[in-house]
Amino acid sequence: ELKVEQNPLFLSMQEGKNYTIYCNYSTTSDRLYWYRQDPGKSLESLFVLLSNGAVKQEGRLMASLDTKARLSTLHITAAVHDLSATYFCAVDSWGKLQFGAGTQVVVTP
Amino acid sequence: KAGVTQTPRYLIKTRGQQVTLSCSPISGHRSVSWYQQTPGQGLQFLFEYFSETQRNKGNFPGRFSGRQFSNSRSEMNVSTLELGDSALYLCASSLAADRGLYNEQFFGPGTRLTVL
Repeated sequence: ELKVEQNPLFLSMQEGKNYTIYCNYSTTSDRLYWYRQDPGKSLESLFVLLSNGAVKQEGRLMASLDTKARLSTLHITAAVHDLSATYFCAVDSWGKLQFGAGTQVVVTP
Repeated sequence: KAGVTQTPRYLIKTRGQQVTLSCSPISGHRSVSWYQQTPGQGLQFLFEYFSETQRNKGNFPGRFSGRQFSNSRSEMNVSTLELGDSALYLCASSLAADRGLYNEQFFGPGTRLTVL
């Protein structure tokens, strides 16, 4: 059974500093997604990573995928308050998304 | 282009009742998946429908069922509700006909179900 582990589960960030969220998964897959969820809201797609070595960047967020290590990272550069949310990685297993537990991010001044 | 819509957005039911949730996918999307989100279990896959057929199923009891109509709209039904069924139910739609291919899923706003 595919398992997806995210860490940390909670991240208190200081504005202006850099942080990384890690997503490890247990079986072979070359399709991984990152989503953001604000409290009480649905999931917003951030990145789609489809091959080994894929790197995507949008604003202060950058995601990468290493399929050999079964690891994806979400790097946050110079955190700002607007990035406070819960971030999920999800591994695609034949159309079924297996989600990590999520990382709750709180950015403080 | 309109996104995924779900109705109702909020629902309160009592134990033992049944409930039906509805999802309209993005125009042109033929695959609809359902997920349950709870604080304790996180996001869990319920099932996926494609062209009116259930194509994939998660580990939920038979009280959870679904169907898809010819216009790709989908409904999910939960019978004999239990307290533990209280959750945010999310519907997602995607284009892919082949599950082995890239299959980005777009999520609706969710239906928050409370069971009393």
